[in-house]
Amino acid sequence: DAMVIQNPRYQVTQFGKPVTLSCSQTLNHNVMYWYQQKSSQAPKLLFHYYDKDFNNEADTPDNFQSRRPNTSFCFLDIRSPGLGDAAMYLCATSRVFGQGATDTQYFGPGTRLTVL
Amino acid sequence: TQLLEQSPQFLSIQEGENLTVYCNSSSVFSSLQWYRQEPGEGPVLLVTVVTGGEVKKLKRLTFQFGDARKDSSLHITAAQPGDTGLYLCAAGGWDSNYQLIWGAGTKLIIKP
Repeated sequence: DAMVIQNPRYQVTQFGKPVTLSCSQTLNHNVMYWYQQKSSQAPKLLFHYYDKDFNNEADTPDNFQSRRPNTSFCFLDIRSPGLGDAAMYLCATSRVFGQGATDTQYFGPGTRLTVL
Repeated sequence: TQLLEQSPQFLSIQEGENLTVYCNSSSVFSSLQWYRQEPGEGPVLLVTVVTGGEVKKLKRLTFQFGDARKDSSLHITAAQPGDTGLYLCAAGGWDSNYQLIWGAGTKLIIKP
């Protein structure tokens, strides 16, 4: 089945120690997203790629970076995690239609990040 | 700024009762999605509605998109403990730069 896969499902890191989260998709969608979600809140968009074009949200801290080496993979790098970065990180994909409008987004299972 | 107001934010009811969750906006959207999320998991798509006035049914769940494409509702009939979770609505516009506008979520607890 086509899907969005995230690894690892659980990540524990130390304060200030860089961490990389990965996402892969078999849907062949051209848009990939990274969200941060804290307890029982709506996901907060960090950035997204439309093909290789990177779009950063204005309030996404510089501490968060992303790479998309090809259509299938996307990485989230947190350069110096703080305690406030502990959250669920969600990867999603969608296909594009129309003038910038988005079709449905499909989510991976998420990576739960703990910062000690 | 486009906003999507979701209500209620929290709902705890007994098994067998009916409930409705609302998402409202003053903006017109091209589509609206409903997701359900369980603790420790990613949101799972329940439905996408795209046509004004559209009604979709998924077993005991009924989804409606407003005639003007500004609002939507999710109605659950005879709720069961397995319906417990966080329900999220999210809407897309025609000029949305590939992003969704998210409701705040409804945390639903169904007690046996």
